[in-house]
Amino acid sequence: EVQLVESGGGLVQPGGSLRLSCAASGFTFRTYAMHWVRQAPGKGLEYVSAISSSGGSTYYANSVKGRFIISRDNSKNTLYLQMGSLRAEDMAVYYCVRGCSAWYDNNWFDPWGQGTLVTVSS
Amino acid sequence: DIQMTQSPSSLSASVGDRVTITCRASQGITNSLAWYQQKPGKAPKLLLYAASRLETGVPSRFSGSGSGTDYTLTISSLQPEDFATYYCQQYYVTPAAFGQGTKLEIK
Repeated sequence: EVQLVESGGGLVQPGGSLRLSCAASGFTFRTYAMHWVRQAPGKGLEYVSAISSSGGSTYYANSVKGRFIISRDNSKNTLYLQMGSLRAEDMAVYYCVRGCSAWYDNNWFDPWGQGTLVTVSS
Repeated sequence: DIQMTQSPSSLSASVGDRVTITCRASQGITNSLAWYQQKPGKAPKLLLYAASRLETGVPSRFSGSGSGTDYTLTISSLQPEDFATYYCQQYYVTPAAFGQGTKLEIK
């Protein structure tokens, strides 16, 4: 069974940092691009970041550029999102999602992890 | 960036009804469109991709169509488990973009 399990969410103060992890299983992780999508409470879906299968290419939404870093460890089948300078507007459920090819362009997303909640508050 | 606009934002319908949700892109996306279903407290689930291709395991009452900038998701006969929020997503260009969602409620 293809599975993505996020962890690392929690309460953080404005300006703080947090690292999310996503453990993948049931598929050949190193052959798929991976993405992060977030959903603020009661709101819609927002595309955050992407990484190619090799990890050599990355993309960031303007809203997180310069503050977040996406990475992956193909030997551990794990995706990461290092989040820094967190703001109230970063508060959301963060979903780890698999793309449909090795390159992150032109991807639909399947499956999705269960999500991990990041709360930014003092 | 491409903007995606869904309509309606919410919809009330009854079991057995046929419903259609529309998604419009700010520029042509050449059928690079996916539809997702999200139930409260759960992650989104892929229903269709390439505008009209049904994901494995998704009931055939779900169908998609469209071209250029305008796309539709149709549920031919609503079942109780279909009441949820639906999102479209373009993947023609990066960044991928989602519609704002359509909440399908029981009448």
